[in-house]
Amino acid sequence: DTGVSQDPRHKITKRGQNVTFRCDPISEHNRLYWYRQTLGQGPEFLTYFQNEAQLEKSRLLSDRFSAERPKGSFSTLEIQRTEQGDSAMYLCASSFPRGSQETQYFGPGTRLLVL
Amino acid sequence: AQTVTQSQPEMSVQEAETVTLSCTYDTSESDYYLFWYKQPPSRQMILVIRQEAYKQQNATENRFSVNFQKAAKSFSLKISDSQLGDAAMYFCAYKSLFSGGYQKVTFGTGTKLQVIP
Repeated sequence: DTGVSQDPRHKITKRGQNVTFRCDPISEHNRLYWYRQTLGQGPEFLTYFQNEAQLEKSRLLSDRFSAERPKGSFSTLEIQRTEQGDSAMYLCASSFPRGSQETQYFGPGTRLLVL
Repeated sequence: AQTVTQSQPEMSVQEAETVTLSCTYDTSESDYYLFWYKQPPSRQMILVIRQEAYKQQNATENRFSVNFQKAAKSFSLKISDSQLGDAAMYFCAYKSLFSGGYQKVTFGTGTKLQVIP
């Protein structure tokens, strides 16, 4: 168990560019989540996958954002035509269904800065 | 929609002393989960403690315990014998129990805990 990993850890881009982030969950976890965390705030839910199916999307996830989990393992989050307001930490988490004992394990995050 | 409020942006505690972090939430549901997460500087967020709302007994994990007041919708975290490694942002969080597959966790804005040697 190597934990949840995210790549890259930091990304600086210019406004209008597209960026893609990757998340590798803990291997046996079939649930995967994306959150966004801005400075001084708690994480805000963006989207959730169970296996390869995207089951929930927040209203925060505008049409410039797309997330995929093609084989039910790693996931990607793409932001098209980035805006300065997209600057944030993007967190990925994974879990395995265990009823009341289910725990979301978080990755280290990808910090995005849009200039 | 559920909301989680942490009214203390920052707290400090002397090493070895006890500190209590406050959290209130708003929900119309009767069954749910509550969590405290710890986010050390530049490190991953980890779960500290969880509470099922249908359990009356307050959860305890070593030096960490909660005071869960369901009627008041209050969920405070007590850290006993504070250690330097406890310094971090602490987030209170809420999750519905009967979600029908809905897995959203709602976080508060966090409390930054400083531990003074």
